[in-house]
Amino acid sequence: KAGVTQTPRYLIKTRGQQVTLSCSPISGHRSVSWYQQTPGQGLQFLFEYFSETQRNKGNFPGRFSGRQFSNSRSEMNVSTLELGDSALYLCASSLDRGELFFGEGSRLTVL
Amino acid sequence: QQPVQSPQAVILREGEDAVINCSSSKALYSVHWYRQKHGEAPVFLMILLKGGEQKGHEKISASFNEKKQQSSLYLTASQLSYSGTYFCGTYGAGGTSYGKLTFGQGTILTVHP
Repeated sequence: KAGVTQTPRYLIKTRGQQVTLSCSPISGHRSVSWYQQTPGQGLQFLFEYFSETQRNKGNFPGRFSGRQFSNSRSEMNVSTLELGDSALYLCASSLDRGELFFGEGSRLTVL
Repeated sequence: QQPVQSPQAVILREGEDAVINCSSSKALYSVHWYRQKHGEAPVFLMILLKGGEQKGHEKISASFNEKKQQSSLYLTASQLSYSGTYFCGTYGAGGTSYGKLTFGQGTILTVHP
């Protein structure tokens, strides 16, 4: 079956702009989680959605937001980008807090 | 709160064994282990659940001590393909850590021929 698909794979933005990242989970998976990965901080939990509801949120500022649609596809948005937002953003889907299947990630560079 | 992994890095020769530890200050519901190769997404290795149940995809063993809130991943007879960064992730059993899969900082494993 198809894996987790994230788009875009790479993007470059400037400070102050906003960005929207998309994640299509594995068919049948209702849980989608987002992580920020940086060399210094490792994998940091952003939020988790299940059946269109945000179930959990990590310790990130309100500039980071997300949503999940009825088909389980998810988007995350970062507004007013800062240099420190440069990272690999990983999306993972699962049946329900079981094994996570990660996408290849969206690599964001903020200039 | 982020679990703590040790060691931070380990270098092996093919055929040698290694143990990676994961420790949490919170009561745990489950522990996950993933491996990430450079430039790739993390890949699931194993889940260890409270109560003793384990689910894994590879010939890698692990343990989960619920009382000590610790887990260990055992890599035996290492192969070159074992190289990568290993992450443990923990689901808390309650409180603010409940429902959040929080990852440790990772352990870099390098296997040489």
